[in-house]
This record gives sequence, structure tokens and C-alpha cells, in this order.
Amino acid sequence: DSGVTQTPKHLITATGQRVTLRCSPRSGDLSVYWYQQSLDQGLQFLIQYYNGEERAKGNILERFSAQQFPDLHSELNLSSLELGDSALYFCASSEGTGSPLHFGNGTRLTVT
Amino acid sequence: GQQLNQSPQSMFIQEGEDVSMNCTSSSIFNTWLWYKQDPGEGPVLLIALYKAGELTSNGRLTAQFGITRKDSFLNISASIPSDVGIYFCAGLPSGAGSYQLTFGKGTKLSVIP
Repeated sequence: DSGVTQTPKHLITATGQRVTLRCSPRSGDLSVYWYQQSLDQGLQFLIQYYNGEERAKGNILERFSAQQFPDLHSELNLSSLELGDSALYFCASSEGTGSPLHFGNGTRLTVT
Repeated sequence: GQQLNQSPQSMFIQEGEDVSMNCTSSSIFNTWLWYKQDPGEGPVLLIALYKAGELTSNGRLTAQFGITRKDSFLNISASIPSDVGIYFCAGLPSGAGSYQLTFGKGTKLSVIP
């Protein structure tokens, strides 16, 4: 158990809809990261938050947004969903800069 | 940006055999990490390496930080069925934030009982 909690485990929704994925980091970790893993693809970095502030952006679409709340949990919002958004979405947390990431078990999103 | 070449892409081995996989880059990294991902779960950190030449073990797993700082190796000895999964290497450039962690595309390991 990595200590990173993600909910829900599975999401099935239709194109055009909006969903919210939730992540609670390991106790004491201030940084939260979101990654997307499509079928047979590696892990694609989306965005990082540190202590409530956006720290870095990767290949995140404009239809996607995220935030980190004062209690350090984070939410990833995906809107105007398309079939190609179907993927595993992972949250990870770390103590700080340069520290190893610890991953949650992911949310499997299926867009039909 | 940096790219990591991880090989082999997949491998099938007999239970009890040793396994070797590696990761190479055209850039220098100051940290190398090895993760394992089981089906339906998130990647789990196996070994972290922070110094060129470092050799670190975790049970039957041994990983090395290459002297050139452009490669890393993971060995698994006496494989067992629960070693099945996808193994990812990840590298972090010097002074970089953790968001700059670059992942390889993974090595899919299958163990034949």
C-alpha cells in the first residue's frame, strides 16, 4: 500500500460529459502529480501541485484542469470528454523536489 | 525532452531463471528509479539510485546506476510467478523537480511456471 488513495476506481461515462477524479496523497507529502496511461502507452505527466499551488504542467489538454485543496487532496477535472480520453489516470505524491513518486492505484476512465 | 529507451519490450522466462533489463538515455540523470506495475494497479517503487556506480538490492532484485549516468540496469534472480508485471525505469535530471521524471515504456515480464 503506497498510502496514496484514489477514487473512484472505475468510471464509465459518455462523450461530452464531465468527471472529477479525486486523490489523497501520502501523509506528509506536499506534492501531488497526475499522470495518464493509455493502452500500451507509458506514463504521461499531466500536472503537478505543491502545497496548493500549481508547480508544473505537462501534456495536459485545455479541457482538463486540476486543483489541490488546503488539506492537500487533489482533484482532476475532465470535461467535454472524448473517446480518446479513455485511460488510466494515476495520482502520485512525493515529499518534495527530486523525491521518488509514490503512486495510487488509479482511476480507470471509460468514455463510451 | 529526454527520452528513455527501455529494453527488452517484453520477455518470457521460465520460473527460476534470472532476468535482466536496462534503460538508456542520451542525457545524464542524477537519479534512477525502478517501478513495477501489476495489472489494474499503480506502479510501485522497487529501487531508487542516487549515485553513479551505485548498486542496490531489494530482496531478489538488484539495480545499478551506470557509471556514465546515462543508463541503469535491473536484475531479478530466481524468478517466481509473482514477478509477472510491467517494470518501468524512470530518470530524473540533475537539480530537476520531481515532475521532470521521465519514464521508459516498460518491460513486460511473463514467467512460465
